[in-house]
Amino acid sequence: EAGVAQSPRYKIIEKRQSVAFWCNPISGHATLYWYQQILGQGPKLLIQFQNNGVVDDSQLPKDRFSAERLKGVDSTLKIQPAKLEDSAVYLCASSFSGKYNEQFFGPGTRLTVL
Amino acid sequence: AQSVTQLGSHVSVSEGALVLLRCNYSSSVPPYLFWYVQYPNQGLQLLLKYTSAATLVKGINGFEAEFKKSETSFHLTKPSAHMSDAAEYFCAVTLNYGGSQGNLIFGKGTKLSVKP
Repeated sequence: EAGVAQSPRYKIIEKRQSVAFWCNPISGHATLYWYQQILGQGPKLLIQFQNNGVVDDSQLPKDRFSAERLKGVDSTLKIQPAKLEDSAVYLCASSFSGKYNEQFFGPGTRLTVL
Repeated sequence: AQSVTQLGSHVSVSEGALVLLRCNYSSSVPPYLFWYVQYPNQGLQLLLKYTSAATLVKGINGFEAEFKKSETSFHLTKPSAHMSDAAEYFCAVTLNYGGSQGNLIFGKGTKLSVKP
């Protein structure tokens, strides 16, 4: 069974530029998550989708971050404009929506903002 | 609100020695608890989980953890460290809603180094 796919794996941009990340979850997983992992910290949830609807985006900086999951499968996360403090690894995870919330993580996208 | 504290950002052990990574949680309701491992430049992989069944949970790669409600702890152990265990380990908690999707709250992680 294929795992969670993410691209690109690495991205370097200048501050105030825009960037987008893509995630393809495990087939059949209804719930998709985007996390931000700053160096030296644990992952922090940015947004959670159930199919194509948003369940929780309380920690998403909505003035610059946006995310969508139009057909309930793939998802994109966008930052516009980027700030220096957005440098982090962006992790995508998916789960079947079973009882125990076991999440499967992709390899992440490492973003460096200069 | 629930939270997780991992004591020690960096733990170093010798190959063959006991591994002990500490995790304490705070939750007003019975939690589900997880340990994840992250190898360099990779995503997180589930090691084991506690979901209110047995308090001693066995996971992959010889790891186990014991849920102690009185101590609000869920420490991760392995009797004998292997070089391949060198990685970062994250403890996480989610609320036991009895079926609904609680979000994962992660600790800051503990980096395990294994000396030959």
